[in-house]
Amino acid sequence: AQKITQTQPGMFVQEKEAVTLDCTYDTSDQSYGLFWYKQPSSGEMIFLIYQGSYDEQNATEGRYSLNFQKARKSANLVISASQLGDSAMYFCAMREGGDAGGTSYGKLTFGQGTILTVHP
Amino acid sequence: NAGVTQTPKFQVLKTGQSMTLQCAQDMNHEYMSWYRQDPGMGLRLIHYSVGAGITDQGEVPNGYNVSRSTTEDFPLRLLSAAPSQTSVYFCASSYLGGRGYGYTFGSGTRLTVV
Repeated sequence: AQKITQTQPGMFVQEKEAVTLDCTYDTSDQSYGLFWYKQPSSGEMIFLIYQGSYDEQNATEGRYSLNFQKARKSANLVISASQLGDSAMYFCAMREGGDAGGTSYGKLTFGQGTILTVHP
Repeated sequence: NAGVTQTPKFQVLKTGQSMTLQCAQDMNHEYMSWYRQDPGMGLRLIHYSVGAGITDQGEVPNGYNVSRSTTEDFPLRLLSAAPSQTSVYFCASSYLGGRGYGYTFGSGTRLTVV
Protein backbone atom coordinates (compact mmCIF):
# COMPACT_ATOMS: atom_id res chain seq x y z
CA ALA A 1 0.00 0.00 0.00
CA GLN A 2 1.36 3.38 -0.98
CA LYS A 3 2.23 5.35 2.09
CA ILE A 4 3.21 8.68 0.55
CA THR A 5 1.19 10.17 -2.28
CA GLN A 6 2.15 13.18 -4.35
CA THR A 7 -0.67 13.75 -6.80
CA GLN A 8 0.94 16.56 -8.83
CA PRO A 9 3.38 15.14 -11.39
CA GLY A 10 4.24 18.68 -12.50
CA MET A 11 3.62 22.21 -11.27
CA PHE A 12 4.30 25.60 -12.82
CA VAL A 13 4.70 28.89 -10.97
CA GLN A 14 5.65 32.40 -11.88
CA GLU A 15 8.80 33.79 -10.35
CA LYS A 16 8.18 35.59 -7.03
CA GLU A 17 4.85 33.87 -6.49
CA ALA A 18 4.09 31.23 -3.87
CA VAL A 19 3.43 27.60 -4.70
CA THR A 20 2.08 24.64 -2.72
CA LEU A 21 3.20 21.08 -3.40
CA ASP A 22 0.83 18.45 -2.07
CA CYS A 23 1.69 15.40 -0.02
CA THR A 24 -0.58 12.96 1.77
CA TYR A 25 0.61 10.05 3.86
CA ASP A 26 -0.71 6.94 5.49
CA THR A 27 0.55 5.39 8.70
CA SER A 28 -0.82 3.72 11.78
CA ASP A 29 2.07 4.96 13.91
CA GLN A 30 1.46 7.80 16.33
CA SER A 31 5.11 8.85 16.07
CA TYR A 32 6.55 9.63 12.67
CA GLY A 33 8.52 12.23 10.78
CA LEU A 34 7.83 13.96 7.49
CA PHE A 35 10.49 15.33 5.18
CA TRP A 36 10.73 17.31 1.99
CA TYR A 37 13.70 17.00 -0.33
CA LYS A 38 14.68 18.91 -3.43
CA GLN A 39 16.44 17.17 -6.30
CA PRO A 40 17.82 19.55 -8.94
CA SER A 41 18.85 18.36 -12.36
CA SER A 42 22.32 17.61 -11.01
CA GLY A 43 20.75 14.76 -9.06
CA GLU A 44 21.71 15.34 -5.44
CA MET A 45 19.13 15.10 -2.66
CA ILE A 46 18.85 18.35 -0.72
CA PHE A 47 17.01 18.37 2.61
CA LEU A 48 14.50 21.22 2.88
CA ILE A 49 12.29 20.81 5.92
CA TYR A 50 11.18 18.36 8.62
CA GLN A 51 8.01 17.97 10.67
CA GLY A 52 7.67 15.60 13.60
CA SER A 53 4.22 14.18 14.26
CA TYR A 54 4.16 15.68 17.74
CA ASP A 55 5.44 19.09 16.71
CA GLU A 56 2.78 21.61 17.63
CA GLN A 57 3.93 24.29 15.22
CA ASN A 58 4.21 23.97 11.47
CA ALA A 59 7.85 23.78 10.44
CA THR A 60 9.46 26.69 8.63
CA GLU A 61 12.91 27.00 7.06
CA GLY A 62 13.45 30.30 5.31
CA ARG A 63 11.16 30.41 2.25
CA TYR A 64 9.91 26.89 2.93
CA SER A 65 7.06 26.05 5.24
CA LEU A 66 5.24 22.81 5.85
CA ASN A 67 1.46 22.94 6.15
CA PHE A 68 0.91 20.00 8.48
CA GLN A 69 -2.68 18.84 8.88
CA LYS A 70 -2.48 15.75 11.04
CA ALA A 71 -6.14 14.77 10.94
CA ARG A 72 -6.13 14.92 7.15
CA LYS A 73 -2.71 13.22 6.99
CA SER A 74 -1.32 15.88 4.75
CA ALA A 75 2.06 17.61 4.77
CA ASN A 76 2.10 20.15 1.98
CA LEU A 77 5.21 22.15 1.16
CA VAL A 78 4.76 25.86 0.61
CA ILE A 79 7.49 27.76 -1.20
CA SER A 80 7.12 31.50 -0.91
CA ALA A 81 8.58 34.00 -3.39
CA SER A 82 9.64 31.36 -5.94
CA GLN A 83 13.01 31.74 -7.61
CA LEU A 84 14.28 30.33 -10.89
CA GLY A 85 16.64 28.13 -8.90
CA ASP A 86 13.65 26.43 -7.27
CA SER A 87 12.99 24.55 -10.51
CA ALA A 88 13.60 20.93 -9.54
CA MET A 89 11.99 17.66 -8.52
CA TYR A 90 10.52 17.71 -5.00
CA PHE A 91 10.00 14.62 -2.89
CA CYS A 92 7.92 14.14 0.21
CA ALA A 93 9.12 11.36 2.52
CA MET A 94 8.09 9.76 5.79
CA ARG A 95 9.90 7.95 8.55
CA GLU A 96 7.66 5.80 10.73
CA GLY A 97 8.59 5.71 14.39
CA GLY A 98 9.63 8.58 16.61
CA ASP A 99 12.79 10.60 16.96
CA ALA A 100 14.06 8.32 19.72
CA GLY A 101 15.26 5.66 17.32
CA GLY A 102 14.32 2.07 16.70
CA THR A 103 14.59 -0.18 13.70
CA SER A 104 12.54 2.15 11.49
CA TYR A 105 14.71 5.16 12.13
CA GLY A 106 16.95 4.82 9.07
CA LYS A 107 14.12 3.99 6.67
CA LEU A 108 12.41 6.62 4.58
CA THR A 109 9.40 6.06 2.33
CA PHE A 110 9.22 8.48 -0.58
CA GLY A 111 6.46 9.77 -2.77
CA GLN A 112 6.68 9.79 -6.55
CA GLY A 113 7.82 13.38 -6.68
CA THR A 114 6.59 16.63 -8.22
CA ILE A 115 8.52 18.49 -10.90
CA LEU A 116 8.35 22.22 -10.22
CA THR A 117 9.08 24.67 -13.01
CA VAL A 118 9.49 28.34 -12.19
CA HIS A 119 8.85 30.73 -15.07
CA PRO A 120 10.50 34.17 -15.24
CA ASN B 1 34.90 16.61 3.18
CA ALA B 2 32.54 15.00 5.68
CA GLY B 3 29.54 13.24 4.25
CA VAL B 4 28.48 10.15 2.36
CA THR B 5 30.75 9.05 -0.46
CA GLN B 6 29.48 6.76 -3.19
CA THR B 7 31.62 5.11 -5.83
CA PRO B 8 31.51 4.77 -8.74
CA LYS B 9 29.38 7.66 -10.02
CA PHE B 10 28.60 5.87 -13.28
CA GLN B 11 28.75 2.20 -14.28
CA VAL B 12 27.73 0.12 -17.25
CA LEU B 13 27.35 -3.61 -16.68
CA LYS B 14 26.49 -6.50 -18.91
CA THR B 15 23.63 -8.76 -17.95
CA GLY B 16 24.82 -11.41 -15.55
CA GLN B 17 27.86 -9.52 -14.28
CA SER B 18 28.26 -8.81 -10.61
CA MET B 19 29.55 -5.66 -8.95
CA THR B 20 29.66 -3.78 -5.69
CA LEU B 21 28.52 -0.23 -5.18
CA GLN B 22 30.54 1.37 -2.43
CA CYS B 23 29.19 3.67 0.26
CA ALA B 24 31.23 5.21 3.03
CA GLN B 25 30.42 7.84 5.65
CA ASP B 26 32.76 9.57 8.07
CA MET B 27 30.16 11.02 10.42
CA ASN B 28 29.87 7.99 12.75
CA HIS B 29 26.21 7.60 11.85
CA GLU B 30 24.52 4.48 13.18
CA TYR B 31 21.97 4.12 10.40
CA MET B 32 22.71 3.52 6.74
CA SER B 33 20.45 2.64 3.84
CA TRP B 34 20.36 2.05 0.10
CA TYR B 35 17.67 3.36 -2.25
CA ARG B 36 17.06 3.09 -5.93
CA GLN B 37 15.41 5.81 -7.96
CA ASP B 38 13.42 4.99 -11.06
CA PRO B 39 11.43 7.45 -13.18
CA GLY B 40 7.96 8.12 -11.78
CA MET B 41 8.52 6.00 -8.68
CA GLY B 42 10.52 8.14 -6.31
CA LEU B 43 13.16 6.46 -4.17
CA ARG B 44 12.58 2.93 -2.93
CA LEU B 45 14.41 1.30 -0.05
CA ILE B 46 16.57 -1.70 -0.95
CA HIS B 47 18.38 -2.57 2.30
CA TYR B 48 19.20 -0.76 5.48
CA SER B 49 21.32 -1.14 8.59
CA VAL B 50 20.88 0.06 12.17
CA GLY B 51 24.50 -0.57 13.09
CA ALA B 52 27.58 -2.64 12.35
CA GLY B 53 26.64 -6.28 11.88
CA ILE B 54 22.90 -5.59 11.57
CA THR B 55 21.11 -5.37 8.24
CA ASP B 56 17.57 -5.90 7.02
CA GLN B 57 15.59 -5.86 3.82
CA GLY B 58 13.65 -2.95 2.49
CA GLU B 59 10.92 -2.75 -0.12
CA VAL B 60 12.90 -4.05 -3.14
CA PRO B 61 15.73 -6.32 -1.89
CA ASN B 62 15.72 -9.01 -4.58
CA GLY B 63 18.95 -9.25 -6.51
CA TYR B 64 20.96 -7.27 -3.95
CA ASN B 65 23.06 -8.16 -0.93
CA VAL B 66 24.52 -5.97 1.77
CA SER B 67 26.80 -6.31 4.74
CA ARG B 68 27.95 -3.87 7.41
CA SER B 69 31.21 -4.94 8.96
CA THR B 70 32.11 -1.41 10.09
CA THR B 71 30.17 1.68 11.06
CA GLU B 72 31.64 3.57 8.12
CA ASP B 73 30.97 1.26 5.18
CA PHE B 74 27.80 -0.19 3.69
CA PRO B 75 28.46 -1.78 0.28
CA LEU B 76 25.65 -2.93 -2.00
CA ARG B 77 26.32 -6.03 -4.09
CA LEU B 78 24.54 -6.88 -7.30
CA LEU B 79 24.81 -10.64 -7.62
CA SER B 80 23.86 -11.08 -11.29
CA ALA B 81 22.93 -7.83 -12.95
CA ALA B 82 19.69 -7.59 -14.89
CA PRO B 83 18.36 -4.78 -17.11
CA SER B 84 15.64 -4.19 -14.49
CA GLN B 85 18.40 -3.02 -12.14
CA THR B 86 19.19 -0.07 -14.37
CA SER B 87 18.60 2.80 -11.99
CA VAL B 88 20.17 5.54 -9.92
CA TYR B 89 21.29 4.29 -6.53
CA PHE B 90 21.55 6.45 -3.45
CA CYS B 91 23.18 5.63 -0.16
CA ALA B 92 22.11 7.55 2.94
CA SER B 93 23.18 7.72 6.55
CA SER B 94 21.47 9.11 9.61
CA TYR B 95 21.87 9.60 13.33
CA LEU B 96 19.53 9.84 16.26
CA GLY B 97 18.36 13.27 17.24
CA GLY B 98 19.14 15.00 14.00
CA ARG B 99 15.54 14.98 12.86
CA GLY B 100 15.62 16.25 9.29
CA TYR B 101 19.21 17.44 9.25
CA GLY B 102 20.33 14.09 10.55
CA TYR B 103 19.88 12.42 7.19
CA THR B 104 22.65 12.70 4.60
CA PHE B 105 22.54 11.34 1.06
CA GLY B 106 25.40 10.44 -1.21
CA SER B 107 25.58 11.92 -4.69
CA GLY B 108 24.30 8.73 -6.32
CA THR B 109 25.52 6.02 -8.70
CA ARG B 110 23.97 5.82 -12.12
CA LEU B 111 23.95 2.17 -13.19
CA THR B 112 23.06 0.88 -16.64
CA VAL B 113 22.71 -2.83 -17.30
CA VAL B 114 22.80 -3.82 -20.96
